[in-house]
Amino acid sequence: GAVVSQHPSRVICKSGTSVKIECRSLDFQATTMFWYRQFPKQSLMLMATSNEGSKATYEQGVEKDKFLINHASLTLSTLTVTSAHPEDSSFYICSAPGQVLYEQYFGPGTRLTVT
Amino acid sequence: GDSVTQMEGPVTLSEEAFLTINCTYTATGYPSLFWYVQYPGEGLQLLLKATKADDKGSNKGFEATYRKETTSFHLEKGSVQVSDSAVYFCALSGLTFGEGTQLTVNP
Repeated sequence: GAVVSQHPSRVICKSGTSVKIECRSLDFQATTMFWYRQFPKQSLMLMATSNEGSKATYEQGVEKDKFLINHASLTLSTLTVTSAHPEDSSFYICSAPGQVLYEQYFGPGTRLTVT
Repeated sequence: GDSVTQMEGPVTLSEEAFLTINCTYTATGYPSLFWYVQYPGEGLQLLLKATKADDKGSNKGFEATYRKETTSFHLEKGSVQVSDSAVYFCALSGLTFGEGTQLTVNP
């Protein structure tokens, strides 16, 4: 099946720095990708929809300037957490739509810890 | 708006026990329904899906039937294994997720 990768799998950064997370579709093209945030023992919260060639669409309550999304190519979307703070520590997951309507292929996730 | 409600966890079972995780949904139209599984420290993996009423999705011994009349998509497995320990998410048309149900299977 289709594979989506994320890099890095884990990252620790200091408060105030920025962190970039990459999401790649390895064997298919994805004009759209989705970014989620997952808190411990909670469900996934859709943060934004990344669109190749245009601006990302953010969900209500998600700060656009803090969570920068760039869909650089048909196989790559990046999420940059700017000026990170400890409350940004979370598990970030990306996904890309599959061929079956509404099916999603998920990346393995990135654990971000801000100290 | 669309929503998914899953039975609260955590669920703890002994190996070979029968599993049911309830999922009900609210949606307009005719959504597709999914069950995803998340193992510790990993992303979500599609477990099974159903795209229309009365469809039964099945995979790895798990089954779920799309019941339009009761707006449900309950996940079942006849005999769970320790390796089934994970968090299970019911999802509606891909982007609306339930809260997740933690399953622990003891030997």
